[in-house]
Amino acid sequence: IAGITQAPTSQILAAGRRMTLRCTQDMRHNAMYWYRQDLGLGLRLIHYSNTAGTTGKGEVPDGYSVSRANTDDFPLTLASAVPSQTSVYFCASSENSDIYNEQFFGPGTRLTVL
Amino acid sequence: RKEVEQDPGPFNVPEGATVAFNCTYSNSASQSFFWYRQDCRKEPKLLMSVYSSGNEDGRFTAQLNRASQYISLLIRDSKLSDSATYLCVVNGGTGGFKTIFGAGTRLFVKA
Repeated sequence: IAGITQAPTSQILAAGRRMTLRCTQDMRHNAMYWYRQDLGLGLRLIHYSNTAGTTGKGEVPDGYSVSRANTDDFPLTLASAVPSQTSVYFCASSENSDIYNEQFFGPGTRLTVL
Repeated sequence: RKEVEQDPGPFNVPEGATVAFNCTYSNSASQSFFWYRQDCRKEPKLLMSVYSSGNEDGRFTAQLNRASQYISLLIRDSKLSDSATYLCVVNGGTGGFKTIFGAGTRLFVKA
């Protein structure tokens, strides 16, 4: 069982380019999340999805979009990348959106925007 | 003021030492609390949940103080393998989805 996989592992991207970060989970979890982690700031929630077909905005949603067409996949798209989006991106999932549930994280994508 | 604050450290301790971390939170309506562990360049993983009555898992003890709005993590008999960053997570409260991660406390355990 893989848990959560993310692709790519790392990417260097020119500013202005479009980029989609992929996230897939095989745990049949209803809730999924995208975070970015920057030095000194901890993880910040970008977007979340409580169940397939629904999404919501987190703390730092600007410049990012998500979709949740099915239970397993939760891609994150940067429509036009900017250098401030250089970060490590973690996808996570939990059984449901109950605040008492553990979140399981993918291995992360290191993105550099030049 | 940040919603969740942690001492960034680093804490440098010898093997066998006892070390404690605190994490303060500002939203009194917060309802659930966790400690996650993150190794260098890896993803966070749940270490333990924090319950009102306090809870222990082997060498690790977590406690919640609602009145003063902080949670703590105590590590006894530190091992080299405990070297990591410890993230405090606070959930719940008013105003939509509220999961807030602290920036983490870095621990180095040395032989």
